[in-house]
Amino acid sequence: DVQMTQSPSSLSASVGDRVTFTCQASQPISNFLNWYQQKPGKAPKLLIYDVSNLEAGVPPRFSGRGSGTDFSFTISSLQPEDFATYYCQQYDAVPYTFGQGTRLEIK
Amino acid sequence: QVQLQESGPGLVKPSEILSLTCTVSGSIRSGDYWGWIRQPPGKGLEWIGSIYHSGNTYDNPSLKSRVTMSVDAVKNVFSLQLRSVTAADTAVYYCAKSPTTGAFDVWGQGTMVRVSS
Repeated sequence: DVQMTQSPSSLSASVGDRVTFTCQASQPISNFLNWYQQKPGKAPKLLIYDVSNLEAGVPPRFSGRGSGTDFSFTISSLQPEDFATYYCQQYDAVPYTFGQGTRLEIK
Repeated sequence: QVQLQESGPGLVKPSEILSLTCTVSGSIRSGDYWGWIRQPPGKGLEWIGSIYHSGNTYDNPSLKSRVTMSVDAVKNVFSLQLRSVTAADTAVYYCAKSPTTGAFDVWGQGTMVRVSS
């Protein structure tokens, strides 16, 4: 299986901050990398697909980049509604796998 | 806009079969994939498997061939069966749609399934 490792596991930040998380795959996954946001008690929401493509309706403060095994996700200016857990997910190989998540908390 | 809704029992006994249905409001279009993902309490996400509109399936080998998925385009539902469940299968189960193979762009609200005698 392709192991997806996210860092950090948790992060405290303030409204207006710029934050970046990373996701590392245990083997190259081409551009088959997605990012989801999950709030407590809710289903995940797709934010970015195929490394850097913004899902329809997602604000442009969210962005992603990377290639091969190393990927990053950035929120350019944190808004109150952005405090949540974020997961990366690869679909280059079955089984599709998710990272363990980065929990973004209010400082 | 497609919406998804999971349904099924909230409690299943060990060794029995967990059966869930996902009702699609809107149409099951050719070209879409339909997936199942689960999340144990307090833990991360695990992909269970996906089914194409044609019925082709692929699932997570970690579930040791306990998974059966089906799709009924006439009734606009797709289904999951997980056999021989144990307490480790206790989780919130989500159904989801994917316009390609692996980016899930529409999710159901999730349904909690507990495995306990």
